[in-house]
Amino acid sequence: GAVVSQHPSWVICKSGTSVKIECRSLDFQATTMFWYRQFPKQSLMLMATSNEGSKATYEQGVEKDKFLINHASLTLSTLTVTSAHPEDSSFYICSARDLRENQPQHFGDGTRLSIL
Amino acid sequence: GQNIDQPTEMTATEGAIVQINCTYQTSGFNGLFWYQQHAGEAPTFLSYNVLDGLEEKGRFSSFLSRSKGYSYLLLKELQMKDSASYLCAAMDSNYQLIWGAGTKLIIKP
Repeated sequence: GAVVSQHPSWVICKSGTSVKIECRSLDFQATTMFWYRQFPKQSLMLMATSNEGSKATYEQGVEKDKFLINHASLTLSTLTVTSAHPEDSSFYICSARDLRENQPQHFGDGTRLSIL
Repeated sequence: GQNIDQPTEMTATEGAIVQINCTYQTSGFNGLFWYQQHAGEAPTFLSYNVLDGLEEKGRFSSFLSRSKGYSYLLLKELQMKDSASYLCAAMDSNYQLIWGAGTKLIIKP
């Protein structure tokens, strides 16, 4: 069964709207979660690393004021796309790392964001 | 720098065997992962290797050579549903995953 839950799975909204995406680890604690973006027919691109109780670490070229990340608990991280525009339309995927030894990252099902 | 290389696309026939290669260069090494991603879906975990050798899991096997910075994913008895992208990812000394661009596998009847 799913170990990482991501909601919503699909969002369509008008330009200028802010959209919040939630990522929850269901049966393990995740001090670190990752947010990825994937454009059609392209590879995963890491946007930021979300750390529980501290500021997220953003990859080069990712605007931290536009993509707000909050990791308030050991099982929940949120990504808010502020004032979204059509170029922000993409597939956003979160993953969480199980800290127990030799465990992979588990991915959420992704959020397809379409900005009109 | 850190880098993962894997072929962009491969084609194979249903029922056959295909091997997808991956070479990596990372700062430190904490294991090599393979994920499968169908179009429009999130990646799903296939395998993890941290020691040299072959790990077999049903129709899928994964091999690692740490000295060569090399891994492969072997898929046997290919089925049409195996058509997907296969992502190779190496974990560095900071436990960050370094991702390859993925190999799109096309299965033909």
